[in-house]
Amino acid sequence: DQQVKQNSPSLSVQEGRISILNCDYTNSMFDYFLWYKKYPAEGPTFLISISSIKDKNEDGRFTVFLNKSAKHLSLHIVPSQPGDSAVYFCAIRIRAQKLVFGQGTRLTINP
Amino acid sequence: DTAVSQTPKYLVTQMGNDKSIKCEQNLGHDTMYWYKQDSKKFLKIMFSYNNKELIINETVPNRFSPKSPDKAHLNLHINSLELGDSAVYFCASSPTATSTDTQYFGPGTRLTVL
Repeated sequence: DQQVKQNSPSLSVQEGRISILNCDYTNSMFDYFLWYKKYPAEGPTFLISISSIKDKNEDGRFTVFLNKSAKHLSLHIVPSQPGDSAVYFCAIRIRAQKLVFGQGTRLTINP
Repeated sequence: DTAVSQTPKYLVTQMGNDKSIKCEQNLGHDTMYWYKQDSKKFLKIMFSYNNKELIINETVPNRFSPKSPDKAHLNLHINSLELGDSAVYFCASSPTATSTDTQYFGPGTRLTVL
């Protein structure tokens, strides 16, 4: 039973437009959420996180939104750039340092 | 100046063999992890060590045995390899076992069992 789901396996966006990646989770007790980015043949790298006491966290072009009532997390990238083409994983903290990851969304930015 | 390194990058082996994957981090972190990314692309934690002590041990067959000779190294030994063990294995580290510490991942080891 997957506790975090990314229902879109892929997303294609025009350069300069907004990219929106989505993630749903099952348990309202989860309190810390993260996004990781992965390029081919590399390990995932941390991108941005949010605590359940907030509903938004921004870092440059990247903003994460948390909707606790809907148990939904989203990552907005604006403006999208070709270097943003990668697989994006959302993750939730279950306890201590145990992270549970979604299956990823492949984002392609078209010039 | 690689932060988290894994060897080998690719490993192809026959069913029934025993193999090891090595991981080293030069970040001075206390905590290290092994993750498995299966064919469905889910990234799942297998083990975590903090200062050479096992702190997370998920439901993993006991054919998998982590070994931490020191806090900079966490190796994964797999006995009697099976077809289902084929996956990409990622090592990671974090400064401490504190929940909000960022985890830094290695490049992965692609294991193929024939």
